[in-house]
Amino acid sequence: SQQGEEDPQALSIQEGENATMNCSYKTSINNLQWYRQNSGRGLVHLILIRSNEREKHSGRLRVTLDTSKKSSSLLITASRAADTASYFCVRNAGGTSYGKLTFGQGTILTVHP
Amino acid sequence: DGGITQSPKYLFRKEGQNVTLSCEQNLNHDAMYWYRQDPGQGLRLIYYSQIVNDFQKGDIAEGYSVSREKKESFPLTVTSAQKNPTAFYLCVSSIWWLEGWTGELFFGEGSRLTVL
Repeated sequence: SQQGEEDPQALSIQEGENATMNCSYKTSINNLQWYRQNSGRGLVHLILIRSNEREKHSGRLRVTLDTSKKSSSLLITASRAADTASYFCVRNAGGTSYGKLTFGQGTILTVHP
Repeated sequence: DGGITQSPKYLFRKEGQNVTLSCEQNLNHDAMYWYRQDPGQGLRLIYYSQIVNDFQKGDIAEGYSVSREKKESFPLTVTSAQKNPTAFYLCVSSIWWLEGWTGELFFGEGSRLTVL
């Protein structure tokens, strides 16, 4: 599949713990972004990281990008029950395919109070 | 208010019929996308368009066709050649910047197509 992989497919943790989700891809990217989707609701943009960046932070969120391994990670620190949602990475292809946005399968995160 | 409007929300089709799903946006966005979602699966890219009168195939374009005659409109036709058309279809749009793009995507509410 050209979509690559997200893992784990599901993650269950306790409040206060950290949650790490991974996204791998197969072809070059220009940028990659992470979205959150709460049950039955729309997708919310979290962070965009460009191919020349290695790490970005936003509040309790930390995204890393390793282009040599073709992978990105989303870390949520000190998780809360409200973080329970599905998380998707969206890859924006590089080169002549720039603009081709590919969604990962998503990671379902459950944070128990 | 600006946004993306997809219609119809629900559509039933008999086998062998073509059907067109509408996607209209008044956000002045250059880029528009069509995705398909099947139960338990993620969004898969069907077609995308970055400018008027131009579009590219996504990962699962077979059995689908699109047009981009106007900036605000990107209709998707599900043809009779699509072997398994029953699915949820989602239209997405964004600003088209090579640099400085924030990455924010705007989503329609989706169209659910059922083939009887």
